[in-house]
Amino acid sequence: AQTVTQSQPEMSVQEAETVTLSCTYDTSESDYYLFWYKQPPSRQMILVIRQEAYKQQNATENRFSVNFQKAAKSFSLKISDSQLGDAAMYFCAYRSAPSGGGADGLTFGKGTHLIIQP
Amino acid sequence: AAGVIQSPRHLIKEKRETATLKCYPIPRHDTVYWYQQGPGQDPQFLISFYEKMQSDKGSIPDRFSAQQFSDYHSELNMSSLELGDSALYFCASRQQGYYGYTFGSGTRLTVV
Repeated sequence: AQTVTQSQPEMSVQEAETVTLSCTYDTSESDYYLFWYKQPPSRQMILVIRQEAYKQQNATENRFSVNFQKAAKSFSLKISDSQLGDAAMYFCAYRSAPSGGGADGLTFGKGTHLIIQP
Repeated sequence: AAGVIQSPRHLIKEKRETATLKCYPIPRHDTVYWYQQGPGQDPQFLISFYEKMQSDKGSIPDRFSAQQFSDYHSELNMSSLELGDSALYFCASRQQGYYGYTFGSGTRLTVV
């Protein structure tokens, strides 16, 4: 079974600065998908960014980018120009690709609570 | 844009009672997932459906059952409720072939 590890229970960053959230995963599969989800106090799960393992290029969505290191099984999230609205719980998640015959559901890490200091 | 709709938003039940949670996926989304998130925990995958058939099963207790209907909405039925079932229950949907999961706002179940 796949596991996802987020080693930082909490991170704090000054507004307008850059912060990187760590995520590592363990899998024997070669094809899979990785996600970062944001869960603000409203508890809504919001997709931040997605990466397909077969793509070498790191995904980017505006101020959010990832550093995907497939060999190291690492998938960190960088948030540039942090804003107060970025404050939330961030979950890293893994999903097997259909071709691998693995689980259909997402496997989440324990989350990192991101605090933005004004 | 239409989102995933879950009802009810909040539910309070007593131990040993039964609860039914509903999920209405985004139009054209044919796959539905259920997740359970306990207090301070990460979401745990329970079960998924594709085209009204169960497609995968996670850590769903035997006391729980679910199904997907012809209009693609799904219901999670929970019987013999226990205090430990108190959690936020999320439904997510996606369209087969695409990997953009959209989550609903969740149903907060409190068992007293």
